[in-house]
Amino acid sequence: DTGVSQDPRHKITKRGQNVTFRCDPISEHNRLYWYRQTLGQGPEFLTYFQNEAQLEKSRLLSDRFSAERPKGSFSTLEIQRTEQGDSAMYLCASSLGQGAYTEAFFGQGTRLTVV
Amino acid sequence: AQSVSQHNHHVILSEAASLELGCNYSYGGTVNLFWYVQYPGQHLQLLLKYFSGDPLVKGIKGFEAEFIKSKFSFNLRKPSVQWSDTAEYFCAVNEAGNMLTFGGGTRLMVKP
Repeated sequence: DTGVSQDPRHKITKRGQNVTFRCDPISEHNRLYWYRQTLGQGPEFLTYFQNEAQLEKSRLLSDRFSAERPKGSFSTLEIQRTEQGDSAMYLCASSLGQGAYTEAFFGQGTRLTVV
Repeated sequence: AQSVSQHNHHVILSEAASLELGCNYSYGGTVNLFWYVQYPGQHLQLLLKYFSGDPLVKGIKGFEAEFIKSKFSFNLRKPSVQWSDTAEYFCAVNEAGNMLTFGGGTRLMVKP
């Protein structure tokens, strides 16, 4: 499968624990996005990377959230001191382009449950 | 800030019925518009997109959408739905930068 890959697919954690998710974009895609989707809602933008540079961050991305893309390939999203409100599906997407927006391809997501 | 409204949260149709799902956005400038579909247990897949040109856009699986700038709308249509179209449908807008703003989604159930 050459699509966007996310790991793990499911994560259950206790409140207060730290969690880290990984996203592997489509090969050679220089843009990578993280979105969050809660039950019954559409995805909400969290952050965007162009190569290794984090260029946009949503106000939803509190200080407990950090994302990295150290070599411009895979990305990690870490949530520190998880709260029940962090329970959601975390989606990663990637695209290829320079300048204007180009179509993004989504992974299957990581479902986080904080208990 | 951009907002996207999908007025129908749940739609139930019989096979062969026609489908129209509404999508309205708030931003009045240049936008790129998308419809994504999420089949049960699967990832979001692009159905169709509008960047410029002909406002009637044809996508995969017989879907089409019409961009009406004066109404800030981008409604999705299909003349005859199939049971396999059962899914959740999301309208999304890109207005600036590199982010999409999604609507809340419409769950479509097609009865065989």
